[in-house]
Amino acid sequence: DVKVTQSSRYLVKRTGEKVFLECVQDMDHENMFWYRQDPGLGLRLIYFSYDVKMKEKGDIPEGYSVSREKKERFSLILESASTNQTSMYLCASSPIIGQMNTEAFFGQGTRLTVV
Amino acid sequence: TQLLEQSPQFLSIQEGENLTVYCNSSSVFSSLQWYRQEPGEGPVLLVTVVTGGEVKKLKRLTFQFGDARKDSSLHITAAQPGDTGLYLCAGEVKGGGADGLTFGKGTHLIIQP
Repeated sequence: DVKVTQSSRYLVKRTGEKVFLECVQDMDHENMFWYRQDPGLGLRLIYFSYDVKMKEKGDIPEGYSVSREKKERFSLILESASTNQTSMYLCASSPIIGQMNTEAFFGQGTRLTVV
Repeated sequence: TQLLEQSPQFLSIQEGENLTVYCNSSSVFSSLQWYRQEPGEGPVLLVTVVTGGEVKKLKRLTFQFGDARKDSSLHITAAQPGDTGLYLCAGEVKGGGADGLTFGKGTHLIIQP
């Protein structure tokens, strides 16, 4: 079974703190993604990476950065957390077969609250 | 602009009824996926459709991809309480490479016993 593991299920941080959300996948997938999910807004792509040290901005990258030093690990960084970053964060990975994206495997999510 | 519009947003029906949820767009998709998400968990893939007009069945769930590859539907026959969840459609608009999936906002489905 493919496993995508996020380091925390629940996290509470203070405004201005630097926050690291870690994600590890065990299936040697090329692609990794970070989404946030908010009521009424659905899943929105923050950043994705298609290879080690490669990253691309998604739809809402402002206030976030990412790091992919190893193929299996993709980190999301909130440089200075703000209350509007309170959300459910979902990490996903997927293989590329040919030139097509395939199924995205999601972690269980991290519910981040910024107070 | 929301690329993928899902309807209805919320649906609450009795066990045993049939239902259809829709995923529509003005964009053409190279593939479209349906996921189901339960509270506190990440989405899990149900099906991927690739060919225009394609119909796939998964037990009581029937998925259809529009001929023009711009829309899709999910039909559930004789809904069960275990079908309760958030149903998300997701599409890949651009071909090739890791552009990331675009998700609809989802349909919240509640099946009452």
